[in-house]
Amino acid sequence: ELKVEQNPLFLSMQEGKNYTIYCNYSTTSDRLYWYRQDPGKSLESLFVLLSNGAVKQEGRLMASLDTKARLSTLHITAAVHDLSATYFCAVGGIDKLIFGTGTRLQVFP
Amino acid sequence: DSGVTQTPKHLITATGQRVTLRCSPRSGDLSVYWYQQSLDQGLQFLIQYYNGEERAKGNILERFSAQQFPDLHSELNLSSLELGDSALYFCASSAPFGGGSTDTQYFGPGTRLTVL
Repeated sequence: ELKVEQNPLFLSMQEGKNYTIYCNYSTTSDRLYWYRQDPGKSLESLFVLLSNGAVKQEGRLMASLDTKARLSTLHITAAVHDLSATYFCAVGGIDKLIFGTGTRLQVFP
Repeated sequence: DSGVTQTPKHLITATGQRVTLRCSPRSGDLSVYWYQQSLDQGLQFLIQYYNGEERAKGNILERFSAQQFPDLHSELNLSSLELGDSALYFCASSAPFGGGSTDTQYFGPGTRLTVL
């Protein structure tokens, strides 16, 4: 059974600092996704990573995938308050997504 | 706005009752997925339909059922409701398989179900 683990579960960071969220999954999978969720809101697609070594960047967020280690990272550069949200990684294919537990990020001045 | 719509936004009902949640996918998307999000279980996949047919099943209770209609909208039916069914229910849709699609699932705004 595919399991997806994220850490940390909670991250409080100061504006301007860098940090990384880790996503480990237990079995080989076609692709890996990162989503953002604001409190009480829907999930917004951030990245989809399709192959080993894939790297995607959007603004202050950069995601990478190492399929051999079954590990994806979401790196935050020079955090700003607007990045405060919960971030989920999800693994799956064309039939379903298995989500990680989520990392709740709070960025403070 | 993802283009996926869900109604109603909020639903408050009593234990033992039955409710229907509705989802309209993005224009052109053939796949519809249902997920349940709760504090104790996190985000869990329930069921997937593709062009009217059930394609994958997850941790969906027997009291729950779903269908996808010819116009591609989907309904999730929850019956004999229990307190533990209180959660946020999301519908997602994705483009037809192949053709360079990344199969990204786009999520609707969700229906918040409260069972009293």
